[in-house]
Amino acid sequence: DSGVTQTPKHLITATGQRVTLRCSPRSGDLSVYWYQQSLDQGLQFLIQYYNGEERAKGNILERFSAQQFPDLHSELNLSSLELGDSALYFCASSVWLSLTAGACTTNEKLFFGSGTQLSVL
Amino acid sequence: AQSVTQLDSQVPVFEEAPVELRCNYSSSVSVYLFWYVQYPNQGLQLLLKYLSGSTLVESINGFEAEFNKSQTSFHLRKPSVHISDTAEYFCAVGTQDGSEKLVFGKGTKLTVNP
Repeated sequence: DSGVTQTPKHLITATGQRVTLRCSPRSGDLSVYWYQQSLDQGLQFLIQYYNGEERAKGNILERFSAQQFPDLHSELNLSSLELGDSALYFCASSVWLSLTAGACTTNEKLFFGSGTQLSVL
Repeated sequence: AQSVTQLDSQVPVFEEAPVELRCNYSSSVSVYLFWYVQYPNQGLQLLLKYLSGSTLVESINGFEAEFNKSQTSFHLRKPSVHISDTAEYFCAVGTQDGSEKLVFGKGTKLTVNP
């Protein structure tokens, strides 16, 4: 058990709909990452939040949005769903350290949830 | 931008045989390198990582990987595999430029047959 909780585990919906995926990070982790895993694209980074603020953005579509709440849980909102959005969506958390003196960050270890399998029919 | 190439999408081997899962990366800045493993119906788990220092890194279950800067590779090896090693293995690269994201390869499915 990684300590990262994702709900729901499975989600079946129709094209054009909107869904919300939820992630609770490990206790004490301030950083949350969202990844999309599909057969043709592999594992793709979507977005990262750190302590409630967006930190980094990857290949996230404009139809998708995310946020991190004061209690550090995060939600990924997917709207106007298309067939191609069917994928496994992973959340990961980490302790993100910033050594400001050296302007260096470490991203040593991501703890992944079990994922939400989204099927768009 | 960084990229990761895992040359083999599937690797079938027999139990107790050696295995090598290949990973090559490209980056214009110094990198951290990771191997993650995904067992069936589970999330990803960190297997091993290279941050700095010795270029040969080992995991607790017998896997090892060697960082080769000149060949921009980070191949994963195990001298004798078990059926329980059947899983999908992902190579990932993170950069030492302050960026937080990891870029993953598409994965290699290792199937160990009796």
